[in-house]
Amino acid sequence: AQSVAQPEDQVNVAEGNPLTVKCTYSVSGNPYLFWYVQYPNRGLQFLLKYITGDNLVKGSYGFEAEFNKSQTSFHLKKPSALVSDSALYFCAVATYNQGGKLIFGQGTELSVKP
Amino acid sequence: KAGVTQTPRYLIKTRGQQVTLSCSPISGHRSVSWYQQTPGQGLQFLFEYFSETQRNKGNFPGRFSGRQFSNSRSEMNVSTLELGDSALYLCASRSGTSGALNTGELFFGEGSRLTVL
Repeated sequence: AQSVAQPEDQVNVAEGNPLTVKCTYSVSGNPYLFWYVQYPNRGLQFLLKYITGDNLVKGSYGFEAEFNKSQTSFHLKKPSALVSDSALYFCAVATYNQGGKLIFGQGTELSVKP
Repeated sequence: KAGVTQTPRYLIKTRGQQVTLSCSPISGHRSVSWYQQTPGQGLQFLFEYFSETQRNKGNFPGRFSGRQFSNSRSEMNVSTLELGDSALYLCASRSGTSGALNTGELFFGEGSRLTVL
């Protein structure tokens, strides 16, 4: 069965420091990987995706993620965190034979303090 | 371009009632998916529609149903509501053809928050 794990419920960083939000996945077949962000009482917003090609993917708001096939990971990173980055982050995976279905991780609450 | 619109945003129902939620996708998007978000179970896939046909379905009981109209608008219905159905129901639309359904990103609405008393 396909699954996504976000091992940290919460990540705390100081503004200006680099941040990492971890994600590992388990799928059969080639994975399509996504990161979404959710602000309070809002829907999810797309940040970036990996489909194929370069393992380092750049996305919105200065975020990037690195696909590591051997470690089955897709960690989200940002070189310098902002207070406004504080939100709930979701990693998700899809595969071709599952159509449009996304499997989401449980989410990681990112808190950036001034 | 208008985003995904969900109505109503908030609603309160009692056990045993039924509810219908509506979703208007981004113009030109033919794929609409529904997800349930709860604190305990997280985000779970309900179903996906493309050109009025259900393409995929999650592991939810038959009380949960949906449909899509010719203008791509979608509705989901939950009958015989239970307390555990209290959740944020998110609709998302996606561009692309049926052969490339899962490489494009989903665009989410702000959700319909259902409270069952």
